[in-house]
Amino acid sequence: EAQVTQNPRYLITVTGKKLTVTCSQNMNHEYMSWYRQDPGLGLRQIYYSMNVEVTDKGDVPEGYKVSRKEKRNFPLILESPSPNQTSLYFCASSFASGARYEQYFGPGTRLTVT
Amino acid sequence: EDQVTQSPEALRLQEGESSSLNCSYTVSGLRGLFWYRQDPGKGPEFLFTLYSAGEEKEKERLKATLTKKESFLHITAPKPEDSATYLCAVGVGGATNKLIFGTGTLLAVQP
Repeated sequence: EAQVTQNPRYLITVTGKKLTVTCSQNMNHEYMSWYRQDPGLGLRQIYYSMNVEVTDKGDVPEGYKVSRKEKRNFPLILESPSPNQTSLYFCASSFASGARYEQYFGPGTRLTVT
Repeated sequence: EDQVTQSPEALRLQEGESSSLNCSYTVSGLRGLFWYRQDPGKGPEFLFTLYSAGEEKEKERLKATLTKKESFLHITAPKPEDSATYLCAVGVGGATNKLIFGTGTLLAVQP
């Protein structure tokens, strides 16, 4: 089954404790992205990657890091989480071919930083 | 500044009562307009991509249209299972991968 998986689905942590949210896709997509979703603000792109070892900042990259060492994986790293990073996080993978562009989202990771 | 605005914020319909959701945008270099459906606690589900003014796409009771400044998602004879938040996004800049989302329209269809 074609899918994007994220782990963990729920995470409660404390300020300053480094954490990693994993993301994996099995569709051989080149493009992958991370978003955060907050009430009243909608989905905002954190980082995206167009291929292995190619990443770029989205709209809200501060406080986050990413890496793309393999095509299928795109982990999100919070080196020193703060309470304002409490949010619902989504990983997405996408492909573009001619006139077609489709983006598929993972199930989400709900992060609480206390 | 690139911006996407969706209206209304919330919409309540009776089953079978057709209506439309609006997505207006101001972007420098549109690289596609996207519609998603999101159910509570789940990730957005891809519905449509539109690339040029005048383009239309349909899927079951949903039909998306695009002009130079806005897109509409028409819902014909909705059913309760169509209840969800509908998100609009635009691809901008040199890489279609960068998307800017609106805040969504919460649709409730009552039986």
